[in-house]
Amino acid sequence: DAGVTQSPTHLIKTRGQQVTLRCSPKSGHDTVSWYQQALGQGPQFIFQYYEEEERQRGNFPDRFSGHQFPNYSSELNVNALLLGDSALYLCASSLQGATTGELFFGEGSRLTVL
Amino acid sequence: GDSVTQMEGPVTLSEEAFLTINCTYTATGYPSLFWYVQYPGEGLQLLLKATKADDKGSNKGFEATYRKETTSFHLEKGSVQVSDSAVYFCALRLAGSARQLTFGSGTQLTVLP
Repeated sequence: DAGVTQSPTHLIKTRGQQVTLRCSPKSGHDTVSWYQQALGQGPQFIFQYYEEEERQRGNFPDRFSGHQFPNYSSELNVNALLLGDSALYLCASSLQGATTGELFFGEGSRLTVL
Repeated sequence: GDSVTQMEGPVTLSEEAFLTINCTYTATGYPSLFWYVQYPGEGLQLLLKATKADDKGSNKGFEATYRKETTSFHLEKGSVQVSDSAVYFCALRLAGSARQLTFGSGTQLTVLP
C-alpha cells in the first residue's frame, strides 16, 4: 500500500520563475492538504482540496494556487517565486469522511529559490 | 490568533533517560491536540493525539495529557532509546478545520547510546 508520494524531491528555481509540485495521496484517500515548512520551523497550512475544489486556505498570497484531479492527486503551483518561498513543501492526504481525520504526510519537495 | 509554543531545542539525552518536551497553546474554543514525529528522511507521522480536556494520548511509550487549565500538552517518555532521535512537533486543530493543523516550531531530540 503506497503512502503519500511527492515529486520532485528537490528542485532549484530562480526568482520570478514558476514551479509546480505534485502529490499522489495514500490509496483510498480523497482529500489533499499542502503545507510549507521553512527551515527550522513547523509546517504552515497553505490549502486543502476535496472534490477538486479548494475548501480551506491559510494565510498565503494568490501566487500560491492548486488543483486536484479526478484521481485525487494534486498539484501546487507557485508563481513569481521569491527567495522567501524556499522551503520544504509537504503534501498530506486523508479521507474526508473519517472520524479521526488523521493526516498522512509525504516526505516533501524541497524548493530552493536563488 | 491560534498558536503553539514548544520548548526550544535541540535536546540531547542519554539512552534510558526521561524525556519531557513542553508544549503550550493559544486557541479559541476547544482544539484537538497532536504530537507528530519526523524521523530523518521520512515524512511527518502522527505519534499521539487527544481531543478533549483531561484526555491522555499514548503510543510507543510516549504520553501526553490535554490540560485545559494550563493550556498545555507536554510530551513525556520514561526511558528514551536511540531510535527515538527525531524532530517532534506539537500541533492543534480547531473544531471545523478538519485538515488545518497549526504546528509548533519543532524540537530536535538526539538520544546518545
